[in-house]
Amino acid sequence: GNSVTQMEGPVTLSEEAFLTINCTYTATGYPSLFWYVQYPGEGLQLLLKATKADDKGSNKGFEATYRKETTSFHLEKGSVQVSDSAVYFCALSRSGGTSYGKLTFGQGTILTVHP
Amino acid sequence: GAVVSQHPSWVICKSGTSVKIECRSLDFQATTMFWYRQFPKQSLMLMATSNEGSKATYEQGVEKDKFLINHASLTLSTLTVTSAHPEDSSFYICSATRVGTDTQYFGPGTRLTVL
Repeated sequence: GNSVTQMEGPVTLSEEAFLTINCTYTATGYPSLFWYVQYPGEGLQLLLKATKADDKGSNKGFEATYRKETTSFHLEKGSVQVSDSAVYFCALSRSGGTSYGKLTFGQGTILTVHP
Repeated sequence: GAVVSQHPSWVICKSGTSVKIECRSLDFQATTMFWYRQFPKQSLMLMATSNEGSKATYEQGVEKDKFLINHASLTLSTLTVTSAHPEDSSFYICSATRVGTDTQYFGPGTRLTVL
């Protein structure tokens, strides 16, 4: 079946540090891949997405590239800010048939950025 | 944007009572809505998928008689937790997809506490 594995957190960084949150997946078919962010007290927000191999999703300085050969979708940001402190979820969208559009989530990674 | 609201944001009820949670897409028509549970420090678990005008599809292990889902219109879905018990206490989150896309937009969640 489909699954998503994220690096375990929590991750604690100083402001302006480089961020990588690893995400790997197993899936049948050709899923779309997503990163969602959940700020304290709020709902999940779509951060970025990629729909096919070698696509790069980007938003707010965050990037992730859909790597089919390594089944990965690692999230990166060159210089984090305190306001990036949140929980980050990697997810894939099941493809085909009655499962179309259903999301499978990773376990989430808590990021804390200190000034 | 694509805004999804949930009501109430939190609810406390006595064991044995039923609780209804509403999920609304405020500025778009949602062909499909999804309901999730999120346990503390854990990922989201998909409970069911609902399409307007048809019966909800439940994930394996989710009791459909306990978690009643109604999708009455293209902008409203409701989740009713029937005969709630303390083990039903959780954070319930809905999401909605626009017509023709697989990107899910999430509500802010509802915290249910059953005493």
